[in-house]
Amino acid sequence: GAVVSQHPSRVICKSGTSVKIECRSLDFQATTMFWYRQFPKKSLMLMATSNEGSKATYEQGVEKDKFLINHASLTLSTLTVTSAHPEDSSFYICSARRPRAANYGYTFGSGTRLTVV
Amino acid sequence: DAKTTQPPSMDCAEGRAANLPCNHSTISGNEYVYWYRQIHSQGPQYIIHGLKNNETNEMASLIITEDRKSSTLILPHATLRDTAVYYCIVLNSGGSNYKLTFGKGTLLTVNP
Repeated sequence: GAVVSQHPSRVICKSGTSVKIECRSLDFQATTMFWYRQFPKKSLMLMATSNEGSKATYEQGVEKDKFLINHASLTLSTLTVTSAHPEDSSFYICSARRPRAANYGYTFGSGTRLTVV
Repeated sequence: DAKTTQPPSMDCAEGRAANLPCNHSTISGNEYVYWYRQIHSQGPQYIIHGLKNNETNEMASLIITEDRKSSTLILPHATLRDTAVYYCIVLNSGGSNYKLTFGKGTLLTVNP
């Protein structure tokens, strides 16, 4: 089956530093990947759609200069949280889509717990 | 994409069937009904999806009403590991970017 690997699973960083989160599709090529953020006891909120070889599309209210997305290959998308602050602490989840799969191929990573201190 | 309405929480006894309802009264003809679940601190997991016919797989059954305005996800024999938030999502099959948008879902608690 389709597997999406997300790394790291947990990260603690100091306020003002940047953190990179990787999302890899292990056994399929993903032309489109999605990044979500989830605060405690809240639902997943879509942040941006990452398209291989082109600029990401950000949802309204998401700062593109703060959340840098790079999708340089068909198997890797990265999310960089720049100049992180405590309010950026959250659970970040990626999803990769495999076209023409039986369920349209929405597979999710296991998530990254970011804590900014 | 059509919006969905789910109860915020439900309880179920272990070994019993769990029936999770979802209303999607504004669903259009080319929109599918998807179900995902999220166990605490993990990424969402695909369960099942359907268009208008009832569907069954190794995890669950999906019953869609004839007018397609509502559906029910059935876990035939709930276990403690089925405790999770279950999301019902309606998704348009057309377009080049199919974005899964999550509502609040139903927190299913399976009790021993």
